[in-house]
Amino acid sequence: DAEITQSPRHKITETGRQVTLACHQTWNHNNMFWYRQDLGHGLRLIHYSYGVQDTNKGEVSDGYSVSRSNTEDLPLTLESAASSQTSVYFCASSRTSGGLDTGELFFGEGSRLTVL
Amino acid sequence: SQELEQSPQSLIVQEGKNLTINCTSSKTLYGLYWYKQKYGEGLIFLMMLQKGGEEKSHEKITAKLDEKKQQSSLHITASQPSHAGIYLCGADNAGSNYQLIWGAGTKLIIKP
Repeated sequence: DAEITQSPRHKITETGRQVTLACHQTWNHNNMFWYRQDLGHGLRLIHYSYGVQDTNKGEVSDGYSVSRSNTEDLPLTLESAASSQTSVYFCASSRTSGGLDTGELFFGEGSRLTVL
Repeated sequence: SQELEQSPQSLIVQEGKNLTINCTSSKTLYGLYWYKQKYGEGLIFLMMLQKGGEEKSHEKITAKLDEKKQQSSLHITASQPSHAGIYLCGADNAGSNYQLIWGAGTKLIIKP
């Protein structure tokens, strides 16, 4: 079955270290997204991609970067982790239909990152 | 910028009772999406509403979008333990379903 997987599921790191969260989907979706989820804020968009070599900044992109070298993967990198980046990170994907489709995003199970 | 406000923030309901969760936008919605999140897991798509006055149902969950397209409600009939989780509404930003703005979520607990 097609799926979207995130790794690691849990990560503890220290301030200043570089961290990469992996996201891999097997649906062949063009669109991929990274969100962070914090208490009281719901989901906030970090970066998104509409296809290979395409990346765009979201609402809270400072301190994060992404790259899209193939359809299946959109890794999220924290260049120098900060305590404010302690959060649960969700990767999601959706298909392109040329217009408004079902709006169905497929989410990974999340990666819980703690920055000490 | 568009904001989504969900209410209540949390809800404890006796099993078998009905409940309603609301999602209100500061601007007209192009599309409104409801998702459910089980604790420690990702989000699962429930329904999408686009037209004013539209109503959709899935099993015992019904979602409505008001005529002005600024408020949506999610109603669960005869709640069950399987309904427990966090419900989030997401709004289509400027007519594109590729970027959604999200409410803060409603945490639902079902008491047996």
